[in-house]
Amino acid sequence: DGGITQSPKYLFRKEGQNVTLSCEQNLNHDAMYWYRQDPGQGLRLIYYSQIVNDFQKGDIAEGYSVSREKKESFPLTVTSAQKNPTAFYLCASSTKGDTEAFFGQGTRLTVV
Amino acid sequence: SQQGEEDPQALSIQEGENATMNCSYKTSINNLQWYRQNSGRGLVHLILIRSNEREKHSGRLRVTLDTSKKSSSLLITASRAADTASYFCATLSNDYKLSFGAGTTVTVRA
Repeated sequence: DGGITQSPKYLFRKEGQNVTLSCEQNLNHDAMYWYRQDPGQGLRLIYYSQIVNDFQKGDIAEGYSVSREKKESFPLTVTSAQKNPTAFYLCASSTKGDTEAFFGQGTRLTVV
Repeated sequence: SQQGEEDPQALSIQEGENATMNCSYKTSINNLQWYRQNSGRGLVHLILIRSNEREKHSGRLRVTLDTSKKSSSLLITASRAADTASYFCATLSNDYKLSFGAGTTVTVRA
């Protein structure tokens, strides 16, 4: 089945630790996106990538890092520099440009 | 800051009524999209309207776009209990940045 997969669904992290969230798509999409959603809030863009080996900062990139070494993969690392990392993280992909985005089911990260 | 802002923040309607929500944005866009999110899940795409279009329909959905006012509206006709969800507008800029608003929470009462 074609789609976009995020893993894990739930993730617990100790303060001061880095953690990497996985996002994989087999839709042959060029563009991939990472968003953060806090309770009752909208989606805020962390990073996005239009092509392999290239990515741009979104509105809230501080404390996060990404890589885009393969077209199908866009992992997000939440670093210890992110002061308030507990949130729901959503990954999306689309063909480059003028089409709809497909979303994964999200990863809920909790810092304990 | 977020590109899109939805209005109202929350909407409660009776089954069978129409629901209208609005979205305003700040910068020029390539297209504007509407998504639905059920609680705690990923988003589902509803409809896309390009910057050179003014109105678009899909089933019970009607979207309008006014680029001069930088605003869009989503109308859901004959609402059903299953329409209960949060609705988000998203704008795609010319550099392919896809930005979302804060959303409208719609509750459809039986």
